[in-house]
Order: sequence, then C-alpha cells, then structure tokens
Amino acid sequence: AQSVTQLGSHVSVSEGALVLLRCNYSSSVPPYLFWYVQYPNQGLQLLLKYTSAATLVKGINGFEAEFKKSETSFHLTKPSAHMSDAAEYFCAVSRRRRALTFGSGTRLQVQP
Amino acid sequence: EPEVTQTPSHQVTQMGQEVILRCVPISNHLYFYWYRQILGQKVEFLVSFYNNEISEKSEIFDDQFSVERPDGSNFTLKIRSTKLEDSAMYFCASSDEQTASTDTQYFGPGTRLTVL
Repeated sequence: AQSVTQLGSHVSVSEGALVLLRCNYSSSVPPYLFWYVQYPNQGLQLLLKYTSAATLVKGINGFEAEFKKSETSFHLTKPSAHMSDAAEYFCAVSRRRRALTFGSGTRLQVQP
Repeated sequence: EPEVTQTPSHQVTQMGQEVILRCVPISNHLYFYWYRQILGQKVEFLVSFYNNEISEKSEIFDDQFSVERPDGSNFTLKIRSTKLEDSAMYFCASSDEQTASTDTQYFGPGTRLTVL
C-alpha cells in the first residue's frame, strides 16, 4: 500500500521568506509523486510532478521539489513567498497506472 | 488552455434522493476519475474509468455509486440514495494516454454536494 504524510497542517511564512512544505511517502515500488495546489473555492491545480527523471523538479509559480529516495521525501520549496501563494497544498503519490493517494494537505499562510 | 469542467458547482439534496454529478473531461482524454473531499479531510479516490469500464475503485465506491460516459463528452457520477455522509466536494479528473502513463491527472473545479 502507498501513503503520504504531510508534516504540518498549517505553515505561516512572511512575504519574501523561504517556503518549505514537507511530504514523506511510503510506496512498495518506485512512485510517481505530485504536488497540487488548491486556492479557495477552486479545484486542484498541478504544481509539479516527479516521474523518475530528474530528482529536482521545477514547477509553476517558482516552486520546486526534490525527490530523495533515501529519505522517502518530496518536499516542496519556493525561495521567496508571495501573498498569492496562500493556498492549500497537497502532496500525492501513485503507483503506476493507479489512483492518486493524497496527503492531508498543508495550508500555507503568507504574512505581509 | 483546455480544462475539465463540472456541473453544477453546488448541489443541495435531501437524504435518500438520487443525484447525478456531471463532468466534461478535456476533449482528447481517455482516462477519467472521481475523487471526493469531505470538509476538512483529505482528497480520496473513488473510481477510475477507461474504455467504457471501471478500471479501479475504492472501498468507498459501493453499490450506491455508479459512473457512466453517456456520450462522447460527458462523464457522470450517480449516487442512488444519498446519505448525510455523502456531503463532500466531488472532483472529476482526466488524463490522456501520455499523461496517464505517469498518472498525471487534471482536475475540475469540483461540485459541492450538500445532503440535508
């Protein structure tokens, strides 16, 4: 079985500060990993994905994530937070042509 | 940019009533999915659909649920007799052959179902 753990249900950063959202996964086979963002009253938008190519993945809006097999992690980072980054972020894992398994989400607040 | 659309955006129904949630996937996509998100909880997989049949379903997707692709553009989720605990946001997602090979799914904006 596969699972995802997101550490921290709420993260607050100042505008311009580093954003770090943590995700650890469990999978019996090499996984595909995803980060989705959900803005208020909207659907899930794909930020970036890891599909066994480069371990450092760049996504939209300046976000990136690094796949670390030894740590079973796929943390999401952005060097400088913007007010528009305030949203809920979901890490997800899949196992080759199977459904996505989502983490419980991390709500990012950006303080002015 | 093509996107998945869902109607209605909000559906209110009485317990025991049937509801049909509608989705229009991205036009060249062949793989379709339904997920739900109960308020304050994680997004959960319900069912995936390919080539006019269910390819995978979760334990949530019991006999009260069904899916259908009635024509070339719509993909529907039917709940036969709604329960209070069916209240949730329901998301439709789709993939094409290439994106499905890496399990990349594109999500619609969701339908909020409220069962009274």
